[in-house]
Amino acid sequence: EAGVAQSPRYKIIEKRQSVAFWCNPISGHATLYWYQQILGQGPKLLIQFQNNGVVDDSQLPKDRFSAERLKGVDSTLKIQPAKLEDSAVYLCASSSMAGGYQETQYFGPGTRLLVL
Amino acid sequence: GDSVTQMEGPVTLSEEAFLTINCTYTATGYPSLFWYVQYPGEGLQLLLKATKADDKGSNKGFEATYRKETTSFHLEKGSVQVSDSAVYFCAPIKGAGSYQLTFGKGTKLSVIP
Repeated sequence: EAGVAQSPRYKIIEKRQSVAFWCNPISGHATLYWYQQILGQGPKLLIQFQNNGVVDDSQLPKDRFSAERLKGVDSTLKIQPAKLEDSAVYLCASSSMAGGYQETQYFGPGTRLLVL
Repeated sequence: GDSVTQMEGPVTLSEEAFLTINCTYTATGYPSLFWYVQYPGEGLQLLLKATKADDKGSNKGFEATYRKETTSFHLEKGSVQVSDSAVYFCAPIKGAGSYQLTFGKGTKLSVIP
């Protein structure tokens, strides 16, 4: 079974520019997550989708971050405008069924963003 | 608020040594506990999990027991190998709502021959 795919793998931009990340979850997985992992820290959830609806976006900085999951499959995460502190690895994960408390989350390789 | 405390790293061990990485959490109602591992150059992957009190998760020689009375989920392995060198993350899941994983800061383990 193919894993979670993410692109690009690396991105370097200047502050105030915009950037977008793409994620394709494991086929059939209803729940999709975006995490931000700053160097030396554990991942922090930004947003969780159940099919194409948002379940939790309480930690998403909505003034600059946006995410969508059209048709309940692929998802994009956008940052506009980027700040220096957005430099991090952005991880996408997916889980089957309803993303319940026993479900394993499968992670993609991540997109490493550097904002100069 | 809810939080996870992991043993500070980095940890350096010789091959075949015993490993313990401590993890404690502060929260009400964590229904499941997970350990994820990140090998060099790879993505996060599940190592083991326990879904209720006193459950023991195990995989690849690693074990962790869900201790509700001490709110702990310590990771152990009796004999580490060089291939176990990685960053280990303890991650309780909140439950009731978003089922959000709350990751610890991670513990980097280096095993030397």
